[in-house]
Amino acid sequence: GQSLEQPSEVTAVEGAIVQINCTYQTSGFYGLSWYQQHDGGAPTFLSYNALDGLEETGRFSSFLSRSDSYGYLLLQELQMKDSASYFCAVGSVREGSQGNLIFGKGTKLSVKP
Amino acid sequence: DVKVTQSSRYLVKRTGEKVFLECVQDMDHENMFWYRQDPGLGLRLIYFSYDVKMKEKGDIPEGYSVSREKKERFSLILESASTNQTSMYLCASSPQVTDPYEQYFGPGTRLTVT
Repeated sequence: GQSLEQPSEVTAVEGAIVQINCTYQTSGFYGLSWYQQHDGGAPTFLSYNALDGLEETGRFSSFLSRSDSYGYLLLQELQMKDSASYFCAVGSVREGSQGNLIFGKGTKLSVKP
Repeated sequence: DVKVTQSSRYLVKRTGEKVFLECVQDMDHENMFWYRQDPGLGLRLIYFSYDVKMKEKGDIPEGYSVSREKKERFSLILESASTNQTSMYLCASSPQVTDPYEQYFGPGTRLTVT
């Protein structure tokens, strides 16, 4: 089967660094994506890793280890506006099918002053 | 600027009604998706479409059908609405076909079935 595991909640203080982990089990793996969703808003795409290693985009970085079926999102210099839910998603393809994304259940990040 | 629109933000329907949710994207994307989002369950894929008139079942297609007659429009149909279909419905589109890792989401339709 296909599954993704990520923590349900994380709390951190403004200015700190937080890491949100994601482990996955899937067939036909393509890559790992991360999305951000504020309360009442739509998910927005943050980053994508197809290969092992670290991808950096401003204050956000994402890491993938394909051999460990593991990735994480790293948020640095936390700001209050980073309070949101963060979803990891794996690209997957089933035999005879086109590719799609499987989403984790999301991690609710609360940033405290 | 990329834009995905959904026909309604809020919708209230009665059990047994036929419900149409419409989604339009203006980015000429091949791939379009319908998800439902429930607290604690994340986003679950209902159906997706990689071309006009083409569709594939996602993880929870039961009780739903879809229609894609034009590239920019993807409709979700609840044939006979039930209370367990009360949820937030999100439409998305993607420029990638084989590995649609970057998806653009609409604002969502919060459907209540009474």
